[in-house]
Amino acid sequence: LAKTTQPISMDSYEGQEVNITCSHNNIATNDYITWYQQFPSQGPRFIIQGYKTKVTNEVASLFIPADRKSSTLSLPRVSLSDTAVYYCLAAGGYNKLIFGAGTRLAVHP
Amino acid sequence: EAEVAQSPRYKITEKSQAVAFWCDPISGHATLYWYRQILGQGPELLVQFQDESVVDDSQLPKDRFSAERLKGVDSTLKIQPAELGDSAMYLCASSSTLSGSTDTQYFGPGTRLTVL
Repeated sequence: LAKTTQPISMDSYEGQEVNITCSHNNIATNDYITWYQQFPSQGPRFIIQGYKTKVTNEVASLFIPADRKSSTLSLPRVSLSDTAVYYCLAAGGYNKLIFGAGTRLAVHP
Repeated sequence: EAEVAQSPRYKITEKSQAVAFWCDPISGHATLYWYRQILGQGPELLVQFQDESVVDDSQLPKDRFSAERLKGVDSTLKIQPAELGDSAMYLCASSSTLSGSTDTQYFGPGTRLTVL
């Protein structure tokens, strides 16, 4: 199971683009990178998942370089409601998800 | 949109008492997970079911915790006796297959347990 490292916290302002980078130096060939979002007093919510290059959905984009040792979650034009904890996970196959402490994003007016 | 249901949402108990949490996964989801989340930390997997069978309970403190999913649908997590250190959020999640980490897990709202 690949260990992931991400910033403990980040601050941003409404309307800005936020990029949260995650390091996973020991990622295995069959590991995918998955991001979850968690609001206070709620369970985590799936945001996006990718294996390599770029993945985009209606919520975010995920950039994964060729060596796959890191990934960047990009949130375009954040709003106050994007204030949450964001978890980066790297695992594959039947391996269980291991959540770290995540990145606490605070969006300010 | 279908959701994972959990009850109760909040539970306050005294140490040495027994507590139980209930989870109803999304209809048709074969895999069910119980997580524990201590304040300020990420969720930690306690037990994983595939239908009614336990797939992984390596992190479940079996001396006091038990979990069952008798008919392969809803599930109950029990703690007996509760200890002060069990105060946490207990999250239930479900997914449609046993593809493990690549399958999207859908989480319920959790049960906030406070042990006095």
